[in-house]
Formats: sequence, C-alpha cells, structure tokens
Amino acid sequence: DAGVIQSPRHEVTEMGQEVTLRCKPISGHNSLFWYRQTMMRGLELLIYFNNNVPIDDSGMPEDRFSAKMPNASFSTLKIQPSEPRDSAVYFCASLLGGNEQFFGPGTRLTVL
Amino acid sequence: SQKIEQNSEALNIQEGKTATLTCNYTNYSPAYLQWYRQDPGRGPVFLLLIRENEKEKRKERLKVTFDTTLKQSLFHITASQPADSATYLCALDGGSYIPTFGRGTSLIVHP
Repeated sequence: DAGVIQSPRHEVTEMGQEVTLRCKPISGHNSLFWYRQTMMRGLELLIYFNNNVPIDDSGMPEDRFSAKMPNASFSTLKIQPSEPRDSAVYFCASLLGGNEQFFGPGTRLTVL
Repeated sequence: SQKIEQNSEALNIQEGKTATLTCNYTNYSPAYLQWYRQDPGRGPVFLLLIRENEKEKRKERLKVTFDTTLKQSLFHITASQPADSATYLCALDGGSYIPTFGRGTSLIVHP
C-alpha cells in the first residue's frame, strides 16, 4: 500500500483565493483526520470522519474552512477565502480501528 | 483547560547514551498515551501506545513509562544513534480514538 496520499505537497496562493487540499486514505481504513501544524500551536485536529461521516468538526477554525468525504477513498479540505494566518502544514491521517494513526506527508500551504 | 507539555528545548545527547523525553499533562484523564516520531518535512509516525493501567511498555530500544498519579510519561531510547534524531510527539486519548498532541521535543544525537 502506498500509505496516505496528499496533494498538492506544496501550495502557494494569494490572500482571498480558494485552496483545496486532497487526501486519499489507506484502503480499508474507516476513519480520517485532518490536522494543521504550526510552530506556534503544534498539531491541531481540524475534523474527524468515521465511515465518511463527519463526527467532530469542533477544531475547524471558522466558516472559511470546510471538509468533505464523498467516499471512503477521498477527502478534501477547502479554505475559501484563504488568509495569511492559514499558512501551515496540513496533514491527513487515517486509521482502521485501534489507535495507531497513519499520517500522510502533508501539504505545506503558504498564503501571501 | 487540558494541557500537554513537552520540553520545547531540543535535547542534545551523545551517540550511545540513553535519551529521555518527558510528556506532562494536566486536566486530563487519558485512557491511552501514544508516542510518535516526526522527521522534517514528513508526517508523524506511530511508535508506541501505553494504556492507563500499564506502567511500562518496551519495543526494541524504546521504552515508555506512564504514571497517572504524576500525570507524566517518559520516553526512553537506549543506545541512541544519530538516526534517532527527530522530533518526538506524545499524544493523549481519553478513549474516543481522537488524540490530542503535544508540541513535541526535538532530539539531536551527536556522533
């Protein structure tokens, strides 16, 4: 298995633009997590899906952020409009029962 | 509020020595505590999990202890190697399978 796949790996955009981050979890995993990592705040959970259903989105910072999981093999995190303070590394992780999360390589987002 | 504290200063040690990293927490009753390793430009990688009723867990050169009275976990790497240099994150889970991560401690092992 290729592991969790994220795209793009790097994204540079201008303030006000829409940004879409993509994630393909490990096949068969039924839970998917989106995290944001910054030096100041560390690794923060944004949203958690179980069997494609959003279970906990309390970490989503504001209405500019939205996430979808239309099927078991694909999820998106969208920021519209983007702001410079959204600059961070965004990680997707998946798991199959248990506690061990498998993280993707992350998307480094820079909003100018 | 819940707080997880890991030393923000990098830990520098000599190759062959034992590295010990600390994770302290407050206002939390974790059912599980996990340790992850993160290399620059990569996502965290799971290393070990210890349950609240376990005192110690070992895996090869790694050892984790969990003291729910002190609200502390210690992570040890024996016979450390330069390849062990990375950031190590602890994560607490109250039983919901949704962990809360600490900010991590950087370990640098000098040859």
